[in-house]
Amino acid sequence: QSALTQPASVSGSPGQSITISCSGTSNDVGSFNLVSWYQHHPDKGPKLIIFEVSERPSGVSSRFSGSKSGNTASLTISGLQAEDEADYYCCSYAVGSTLVFGGGTKLTVL
Amino acid sequence: QVQLQESGPGLVKPSQTLSLTCTVSGGSITSGPYYVTWIRQPAGKGLEYIGRIYTTGSTNYNPSLKSRVTISVDTSKKQFSLRLTSVTAADTAVYFCARAPGGFHYYFDYWGQGKLVTVSS
Repeated sequence: QSALTQPASVSGSPGQSITISCSGTSNDVGSFNLVSWYQHHPDKGPKLIIFEVSERPSGVSSRFSGSKSGNTASLTISGLQAEDEADYYCCSYAVGSTLVFGGGTKLTVL
Repeated sequence: QVQLQESGPGLVKPSQTLSLTCTVSGGSITSGPYYVTWIRQPAGKGLEYIGRIYTTGSTNYNPSLKSRVTISVDTSKKQFSLRLTSVTAADTAVYFCARAPGGFHYYFDYWGQGKLVTVSS
């Protein structure tokens, strides 16, 4: 099972919006609405920010939103803030009842 | 508030077995269809799914690691264990345990802080 494909890095200025893509195949992202997104700050455990493509856990800012089209899922962060600077990972359920992560995207807030 | 904590040796010799424990506190792991997953992150790389175990003992492993991985659970101690045999330098990583709600929900709502394990002689 290959890792999902994410851009290595994205950047944006405070207040702007950015989108991180997560490209998979018909064996994972394309066949299941079971994509989740995680925010990871160094030396901490990752934090769930989106589950099941577009659902937001309680307590997560509405500035975070998720979507999916075909084999590609996307995470959008609007109104960028300095504290959003972190690594972001997507994860999808896949054929064979396994799970596959993306390679991660480093978000820099300029 | 559910909390997870990884523990175990931080240094393992090549060809030996890596053993880690994930202890869950702040909630019951037997009151729902939860499962605990082990995930690792080599330095400078992304996250990798290792495998998961339900409180019933049912398991699922990453096919690429399946021949070397065993995950077990001791519900009385609220502990989930990972064993990875025949380790090499490529197994050097931060190892995380994470809880999922279970059922047909494949996301991780609680994570441990992670445990760095270095494979070196």
